[in-house]
Parts: sequence; structure tokens; C-alpha cells
Amino acid sequence: DAGVIQSPRHEVTEMGQEVTLRCKLISGHNSLFWYRQTMMRGLELLIYFNNNVPIDDSGMPEDRFSAKMPNASFSTLKIQPSEPRDSAVYFCASKNFGDGLRMNTEAFFGQGTRLTVV
Amino acid sequence: SQQGEEDPQALSIQEGENATMNCSYKTSINNLQWYRQNSGRGLVHLILIRSNEREKHSGRLRVTLDTSKKSSSLLITASRAADTASYFCATAEMDSSYKLIFGSGTRLLVRP
Repeated sequence: DAGVIQSPRHEVTEMGQEVTLRCKLISGHNSLFWYRQTMMRGLELLIYFNNNVPIDDSGMPEDRFSAKMPNASFSTLKIQPSEPRDSAVYFCASKNFGDGLRMNTEAFFGQGTRLTVV
Repeated sequence: SQQGEEDPQALSIQEGENATMNCSYKTSINNLQWYRQNSGRGLVHLILIRSNEREKHSGRLRVTLDTSKKSSSLLITASRAADTASYFCATAEMDSSYKLIFGSGTRLLVRP
């Protein structure tokens, strides 16, 4: 398996433009996390899904941010309109939530998308 | 929001020395995990310790967990220059174990 794949790796866009970040989960995983990393705020959990259903989106900063899982292996994070303060590295991670005794599992991270909004 | 705070924020040691990083958290947890991040890369899982475990080893890594103090430590023995990275603890909360919350991280520099 190629691991969690994110695209693009780098994105530079102008303020006000729509940005779409993409993530392909590891086959068989059923939990998906989106994180944002900045020097000031560290790693922030934005939203996570379990079995394609958003479980907790309390970390999504504003209505400008939205995330979807159209199928079990793919997710998008969209920012519309983008602002300079959205500049950060965005990571997605997937894991197999499992059940009962298999609940203690690790997350696998993608390489991240470095977003710069100018 | 961040669950954990890590201490120290930065650590510089000589190759061959041991490195100890600490993590404190706030809520009841199902497990605690440590991750490593090289500059410009994604996070890589190192070790997981369950809430009913007190100590765990993996190669040169030793993790302890004290749930009464809500704290954990990561010890890297006989450090190498290649261990230079940022290290994060992450907690899986008791109420929803698939939600991973990360600490602020420790930047480790191992000098050759």
C-alpha cells in the first residue's frame, strides 16, 4: 500500500480563491482525520470521520471550511474563500478504528499539503 | 484544541546521550501515542501505550504512563543524529477513542 496520499503537496493561491485539498486513505481504514499545523497553534484537529460520517467538526475554524468523504477511500477539505491566515500545512491521517479489543490503533499520516494564501 | 503539553519545548543533546521528553494531558484517555515528525514531513507513529499499561519498550524507545498524574514520558536511549526531529504525544480520549489530540511537541536536536 502506498500509504495516505495527499494532493497537492504545495498550493499557492490568492486571497479569496477557493482551495481544495485531497486525501486518499489507506485501503481498509475507516477513520479519517484532517489536521492543520502552524508554528503558532501546533497541530489542530479540524474534523474527523468514521465510516464516512463526520463525527466531530468542532475544530473547523469557520464556515469557510468544509470537508467531505464522498466514498470510503477519499476525502476533500475545501476553503472558500481562502484568507492569508489559512496558510499552514494541512495533514490528513487515516486509521482502522476497529472494534472492542482492536480500538487501540495508530494513525497513518500523509505528507501534508503546504498551503500559502497571498 | 490541544490536549497535551510537552516539556521541554526544545532539547539539544550530544549523540550517545539519552533524551527524555514529557507529556501532560487533561482528560481520561483510552491510550496515548508518540509520533515523530521530520522537518517538512508527515508524522510517523512510534509507540502506543494503553491506559492500563505503565511502561512499554520498543527498541531504543521506552514510554511510561502515569494516569494518576495524567502524564507520560518518552525516553530515547543512545541517541543518534538521525533521531533529530520533533516528537509529539497524542491522546485517544476515553469517550471517543478514535479522536486523536496532539500535544505541542518537543524539538529534539542530536549533535554529532
